[in-house]
Amino acid sequence: NAGVTQTPKFQVLKTGQSMTLQCAQDMNHEYMSWYRQDPGMGLRLIHYSVGAGITDQGEVPNGYNVSRSTTEDFPLRLLSAAPSQTSVYFCASRGSTGSGATNEKLFFGSGTQLSVL
Amino acid sequence: AQKITQTQPGMFVQEKEAVTLDCTYDTSDPSYGLFWYKQPSSGEMIFLIYQGSYDQQNATEGRYSLNFQKARKSANLVISASQLGDSAMYFCAMRELGGGYQKVTFGTGTKLQVIP
Repeated sequence: NAGVTQTPKFQVLKTGQSMTLQCAQDMNHEYMSWYRQDPGMGLRLIHYSVGAGITDQGEVPNGYNVSRSTTEDFPLRLLSAAPSQTSVYFCASRGSTGSGATNEKLFFGSGTQLSVL
Repeated sequence: AQKITQTQPGMFVQEKEAVTLDCTYDTSDPSYGLFWYKQPSSGEMIFLIYQGSYDQQNATEGRYSLNFQKARKSANLVISASQLGDSAMYFCAMRELGGGYQKVTFGTGTKLQVIP
C-alpha cells in the first residue's frame, strides 16, 4: 500500500518557470490537500479538494492552481514561479468514512523541496 | 476563524523524563478535532494522536497523551518516558467539524530535543 505519493522530491526552478507537483493516493480518499511549510510558520494550506471536480482555496492560494479530475490525483501547478514560493510542499489526504481518528487523520506524502532562483 | 498557538519554539528534555508540549486553540465552533503530528529530521509528517471536542476522556496512544482542557482551550501533548527518537518537531492542529468545514490549521511547531 503506497499511501500518498508525491513527485518530485526535489526541484529547482528559475523565476518565471512553471511546473506541476504531482500527488497521488491509493486509499480512495475523498479529501486531498496541499500545504507549504516554511521555517517558523508551520504548515499553511494552499488548496484542498473534497472530491473529483471540487476544489477550494486555502490560506495561501495565490500563485497556485489545482484541479481534481480523478479521486486518486491532485496536482499542484505553479504558473510562474517566484522566489517567495521556495518552500517544502506536502500533499495530504484523509478518508470520509468512520469517526474520530480513523476519519480525521491526515496521511501525508513525503514532501517536495522546491527552490526558486 | 480557527487558530492554533504553540508558544514554545524549542524545548529540551532528559531521556526517560516526561515532557509537555503546549498548544492553545481558538474557535467558536462547539464541534472540532485536535491533532498532534511529529516531524523528524527526515521530514515526514507522522500522526500521533487525535481528540474530539465531545470526547469524554483524554486521548492516549502509547506514550502519548493529550491533556485536553476545554474551558481553557488547551490541548497539550504529554510524552512520557522520553526517548532519543522523540527528538523532532511537533505540530498541533485543529479542524472545525461543524458546517462541513474542511480546513485543518496547524500551529508553528515546537522543536523537542531529547538529551541522553
